[in-house]
Amino acid sequence: NAGVTQTPKFQVLKTGQSMTLQCAQDMNHNSMYWYRQDPGMGLRLIYYSASEGTTDKGEVPNGYNVSRLNKREFSLRLESAAPSQTSVYFCASSIDYNEQFFGPGTRLTVL
Amino acid sequence: GQQLNQSPQSMFIQEGEDVSMNCTSSSIFNTWLWYKQDPGEGPVLLIALYKAGELTSNGRLTAQFGITRKDSFLNISASIPSDVGIYFCAGLGFPNDYKLSFGAGTTVTVRA
Repeated sequence: NAGVTQTPKFQVLKTGQSMTLQCAQDMNHNSMYWYRQDPGMGLRLIYYSASEGTTDKGEVPNGYNVSRLNKREFSLRLESAAPSQTSVYFCASSIDYNEQFFGPGTRLTVL
Repeated sequence: GQQLNQSPQSMFIQEGEDVSMNCTSSSIFNTWLWYKQDPGEGPVLLIALYKAGELTSNGRLTAQFGITRKDSFLNISASIPSDVGIYFCAGLGFPNDYKLSFGAGTTVTVRA
């Protein structure tokens, strides 16, 4: 099992560009999550999907959109990237709401 | 999510030492999780706790779910160099909260 995979691993964007971060899990988990991690601020929830077909806002959803494509895949889209979105993005999944398993992260820089 | 206070913010370890860190919340939690993050990697789940007073071990790691449901502790015994990294606590609120709250992390480095 690969667990949670994320692509790309690194990305550099110019302000105003758009991109989609991809996430997939092969553990048959119901719930999936997107977090951002900034120095000294821990992990902050952007969006989550409790089950296939549902998505909800987390703590810091502004500037992002998500799609739960199927049970395995949950993508995060930046429509118009801003320097404040420079961060490390982690996708996670869980069977219910408890033990979450994280992917390796995408390191995004917006110039 | 709820605000979690994790301490210490950083610590230095010497090989063979026992170290501890803790996490406190202003609200009751019904689940406590402890993660470790190595540089350039995602957090890895170390221990999960589900009952007040529960004490659970994973090798040299031991974590406890506080009796008040508002705190948790992680102990590392006989530290080794690969214990360096960032340790995060995370909690799930009560009764049906579905968003994990994370502490800011404890950075563990080796004392020169």
